[in-house]
Amino acid sequence: DVKVTQSSRYLVKRTGEKVFLECVQDMDHENMFWYRQDPGLGLRLIYFSYDVKMKEKGDIPEGYSVSREKKERFSLILESASTNQTSMYLCASSSLGRAPYEQYFGPGTRLTVT
Amino acid sequence: TQLLEQSPQFLSIQEGENLTVYCNSSSVFSSLQWYRQEPGEGPVLLVTVVTGGEVKKLKRLTFQFGDARKDSSLHITAAQPGDTGLYLCAGQTGANNLFFGTGTRLTVIP
Repeated sequence: DVKVTQSSRYLVKRTGEKVFLECVQDMDHENMFWYRQDPGLGLRLIYFSYDVKMKEKGDIPEGYSVSREKKERFSLILESASTNQTSMYLCASSSLGRAPYEQYFGPGTRLTVT
Repeated sequence: TQLLEQSPQFLSIQEGENLTVYCNSSSVFSSLQWYRQEPGEGPVLLVTVVTGGEVKKLKRLTFQFGDARKDSSLHITAAQPGDTGLYLCAGQTGANNLFFGTGTRLTVIP
């Protein structure tokens, strides 16, 4: 079974704090993704990575950065958290080996910025 | 940006009833995935359909991909409370391009 884990299920941070969200997958997948999910807006892609140290912007990268130093680990960084970054953050991974490149998700991190 | 519209947005039915959820787009997808998400959890992949016209069954759930690979449907027979959740369709156009619908929130009342 594919296993994607996220470092925290719930986080509460203050405005201006630096926030790290970590994601680990155990399936040797090349691709890793960070999404945020908000009511009425669905899942929106923040960043993805197709290899170690490689990253690509998604639809809403502003206010976020990412890091991928090891194949199994993909971190999302909020440099200076703001209240409009309160959301559910979802990490996913997929293999690049063969279509249809199914994405497998972690349990999510519910982040509240006060 | 590819647009995937799901209908209905909300559905509340009695246990034992049948239902169909629709996922429509004007774009062509190489594959389409269906997920179910429970409150406070991440989406769980249910099925992937790849070929136009393809039908896949998962117990009481039947998934169909449109002939033109632009739309899909999910039919649930004899719904049970355990089917309650948010159903998401997602269309794929490439290895890194997965576009999600806004979801159908299903509640099955015992």
